[in-house]
Order: sequence, then structure tokens, then C-alpha cells
Amino acid sequence: DIQMTQSPSSLSASVGDRVTITCRASQSIGGDLNWYQRKPGRAPKLLIYTASTLQSGVPSRFSGSGSGTDFTFTISSLLPEDFATYYCQQSFSTPKTFGQGTRVEIK
Amino acid sequence: QVQLQESGPGLLKPSQTLSLTCIVSGDSISSGDDYWSWIRQAPGKGLEWIGYVHYSGSVYYNPSLKNRLAMSIDTSKKQFSLRVTSVTVADTAVYYCARERMGDYFDFWGQGTLVTVSP
Repeated sequence: DIQMTQSPSSLSASVGDRVTITCRASQSIGGDLNWYQRKPGRAPKLLIYTASTLQSGVPSRFSGSGSGTDFTFTISSLLPEDFATYYCQQSFSTPKTFGQGTRVEIK
Repeated sequence: QVQLQESGPGLLKPSQTLSLTCIVSGDSISSGDDYWSWIRQAPGKGLEWIGYVHYSGSVYYNPSLKNRLAMSIDTSKKQFSLRVTSVTVADTAVYYCARERMGDYFDFWGQGTLVTVSP
């Protein structure tokens, strides 16, 4: 199985901050990397797929980059509704695997 | 807008069989591009992909759970199902159903249902 390692596991930030999360795959996955947002009691939401493509309807303050084994997810200017947990996921091979998540908390 | 809703028992005893159903609305369940998936998250653990069922009936299971799993789909009812046999406390988790588009990403998810296995 491909292991996905996210960092940090949690972070505290203020509204307006730029937030960056990294995800590393245990082997090369090309660009087959997706990012999700999850809030308590809500369905997880796809934000970015194939490393850098913004899902329809997702605000442009969210972005993703990377290829191979190293990927980055960025929120350019944090809004109150962005406090949530974020997960990366590889779709390169089965079984599909996820990172452990990064919890973004209010400072 | 595709919507998915899980249903099933919230509490089980060890050795029982877990049965969950996911009802799909807002789109066809019979598209060849879609793989209807189950994902779970145990307390304090990460998200774990369980497997998928395709409208054709083909399935793919996570090898870590393969021997205890069965998935099925009923296109006439627009629903798909998961069965996990011989559950243990380790199967306690929030179970999500989701649509995997073209095998590339999970674009729609249910809200999740908590299943607790307790003696």
C-alpha cells in the first residue's frame, strides 16, 4: 500500500493567514493526489483533484501543487468557514489511501 | 447535485454482521464512470478505504478486509450496500459512502454513520 504522510497534524491560524499543508507519498504517484475538507457532522468535501485542479464551486483561495511524491495544499487567506480538517488522498493505485489529516484551528 | 445517505444499525456486538445501505439521489447510479465506495474512520485513526461496487456488479475490496466483506448494488432502488461479517471492536468507526468518479477522486460523500461494536 502507498503510505501518505501529512504535515503538520494540526495548526493554529488566524483569519487572513496563509496556510500550507504538505503531503508526501511513500512512492511516486504522478499527479494522482486529491485534497478534501471535513467538518464535524458534515460530508467530506472534495476541494482539489489531480494535485492542482479546483473542484467546481470551490473558492480560488484554495490551491494545490506538486507531483511525484511531494504535494502542497494552500489556503491563501483563511476565512472563518475554513476551520476544518484537511486530508490528502492518492488515487494512483488500489487500495486508495489517505493522509492522517491536518486540523486547522482558530488561533 | 448528487446526494448520498447512509443507513444502518448504530450498535452491534462482536461476531455480528454489519449491514449498511447507501441511497443515492440526484443522479444515475448506473454510469460506467462511477464507482460506489465505502470509507471508514475509526476513533483516533485516519480514513480507510474499504472498497467499491460498480453498477455492473464488479467489486474491489481492500485486501486488509477482503475476507469479511461483501458489497452489492441495486440499480432499480438506486442504492448500494456493505456487509462486514464477524465484527470486532476494531470495526467501530464512522462509515461513509461516496462516489468515486472515474476511479480518480471521491466527489460526493454521505454525512457518515457511526457504528459502534461493543460487548
